Amino acid sequence: AQSVTQLDSQVPVFEEAPVELRCNYSSSVSVYLFWYVQYPNQGLQLLLKYLSGSTLVKGINGFEAEFNKSQTSFHLRKPSVHISDTAEYFCAVSDLAQGAQKLVFGQGTRLTINP
Amino acid sequence: ETGVTQSPTHLIKTRGQQVTLRCSSQSGHNTVSWYQQALGQGPQFIFQYYREEENGRGNFPPRFSGLQFPNYSSELNVNALELDDSALYLCASLIGPVGTEAFFGQGTRLTVV
Repeated sequence: AQSVTQLDSQVPVFEEAPVELRCNYSSSVSVYLFWYVQYPNQGLQLLLKYLSGSTLVKGINGFEAEFNKSQTSFHLRKPSVHISDTAEYFCAVSDLAQGAQKLVFGQGTRLTINP
Repeated sequence: ETGVTQSPTHLIKTRGQQVTLRCSSQSGHNTVSWYQQALGQGPQFIFQYYREEENGRGNFPPRFSGLQFPNYSSELNVNALELDDSALYLCASLIGPVGTEAFFGQGTRLTVV
């Protein structure tokens, strides 16, 4: 079964600073990888996804992630964060279980932006 | 805005009771998945329905059950509620059983007392 580890439970950064949220997944022949964002009292919104092709994936709100197969990592980055980026971020990997598209999520990283 | 709506947004139930949570998927999305997100945790897969049949299940007991209807709506039913069932329940709609993008609703916060 697939698994995901988000290496930091909390990441505090100052506004306009760069940020990296780390994610490692268990190895498999092929994987689909995702980053979701969850604002307080809301559901999950897809930031970006890796299915195949270029290992650098660009998403919404200025976020990007790099798929590294040898290190089984899919770290999320943003060059300059804003107060509005304060949220919980989840890395997820797809796992086809019994013909169903099951997403396996990490524990989440709480990103806090300080002015 | 994902086009996926859930009701109610909040709910308080007593241990031992039964609850039904509802989800309205995007039109044309014939697959719905349900997830449980405990406080401070990532979401966990409960089950998935495709064309009104359950086609995948996570590590949840049979007292968690579901229904999917032809009009793209679905239900999650939980019997014999336990305190540990307190969580945010999320539904997600997909295009097909192995669709690569899940569109999530805003969730239903269930509190069991």
